[in-house]
Parts: sequence; C-alpha cells; structure tokens
Amino acid sequence: GQNIDQPTEMTATEGAIVQINCTYQTSGFNGLFWYQQHAGEAPTFLSYNVLDGLEEKGRFSSFLSRSKGYSYLLLKELQMKDSASYLCAVRGGDYKLSFGAGTTVTVRA
Amino acid sequence: IAGITQAPTSQILAAGRRMTLRCTQDMRHNAMYWYRQDLGLGLRLIHYSNTAGTTGKGEVPDGYSVSRANTDDFPLTLASAVPSQTSVYFCASSETSGGSDEQFFGPGTRLTVL
Repeated sequence: GQNIDQPTEMTATEGAIVQINCTYQTSGFNGLFWYQQHAGEAPTFLSYNVLDGLEEKGRFSSFLSRSKGYSYLLLKELQMKDSASYLCAVRGGDYKLSFGAGTTVTVRA
Repeated sequence: IAGITQAPTSQILAAGRRMTLRCTQDMRHNAMYWYRQDLGLGLRLIHYSNTAGTTGKGEVPDGYSVSRANTDDFPLTLASAVPSQTSVYFCASSETSGGSDEQFFGPGTRLTVL
C-alpha cells in the first residue's frame, strides 16, 4: 500500500514564496509528480522527479529526496491565480499513481 | 477535439440504476485510467488500461467495470449505482504507464446517486 501525506491548507501573500511538503511511504518508487487543480477543474501536470535533487520550471520548483521519502513543491512570486489545490502523487513499484489528499493554497492580496 | 473528453458533465442517478460514463482521447495514448475524487481523500484509482484490449483493477474497483475495445475509448460502467458512488469521476490518459509520462485528465463527471 501507499501512504502519502501533505498539509491540508496553506495561506500566503501575493508575491511571497510557499513550500508544500509531501512525505511518502510506498511499495517501490518510480517517480513523483506534482499536479495543480483549480476548484471545479481537472488536475494539470506541474512537475516530475525521479532522481534526488531540485527541478526548476519557471516560478515552480520541485525537490526530491528518495532516501527520506520526501518532496516539496516551491511556488515563488505568488500570484492570485496560484490559488488552487496542489496534489502530490507517487508512482509505486506497480507503476500506478497514488495521490495525496492535496494541499489547498490560498493567495491573499 | 483535442485532448480528452468525458460525458456527461454531471448526472443525478437513482440508486440501483445502471450508468456508463464515457471517456474519449485523441492523443493516441496507450494507457488510460479512471479515478474518483472525494473530499479529503484525494484521487483514487478505480480501473486502468495499459493498452487497448487489456484492463486492470485499481485501489477501489468494486461496483465498477471497464472495457478497452480500442485506443481512444475507455467507458466506466456502474452496474447498479449506490449512494456511496456519489463522487467526481476523472478519466486520464498517458502515452505509456511508465517513465516520465504525465497523465492528462479529462474535465470530470460529477455523479450524484440518490
């Protein structure tokens, strides 16, 4: 089975930085994904990590430590449109994705 | 069309009725998936298909069935709906089931079983 934990909610100010942590315990590991989901919409892909380290993509960065079962998503220069849920998902040994419950980020002016 | 579509957008269904949720993708992806999303539980995999002609069970398959007769279509059937199947259902596809291939999600079907 898979166990994926992330905080339920976070609030930050426009222009600030927010870090969303994700810890996991899985049977095998074949990569970690982050998705963004706006209210009432479908999830959309943000990032993929399979090796330890930081992957940067514009204002968003994702970090992975396989030995610690830990990842974080860093959102920089927050904008109002970044208010959404952020889903951590782990591809286990069976190549299926298991999702965390998601972290709702609210950006305030 | 471009991408992945689902129908209907929403549906209210009486308990005990049969219902098929439709999913079509035009990206020629090999792998397709059905998830349900419930508040506080996140996305849970119902069934998947790694390639046309094959299907497999996910985390919560009971009460659901799927078929994959061709590459593009992956319908999900509730044989006899129950209130606990009230949820938002997302279909997704990916080029393959491995590597860095991301999953693309359809817009979802909001299903209410009364």
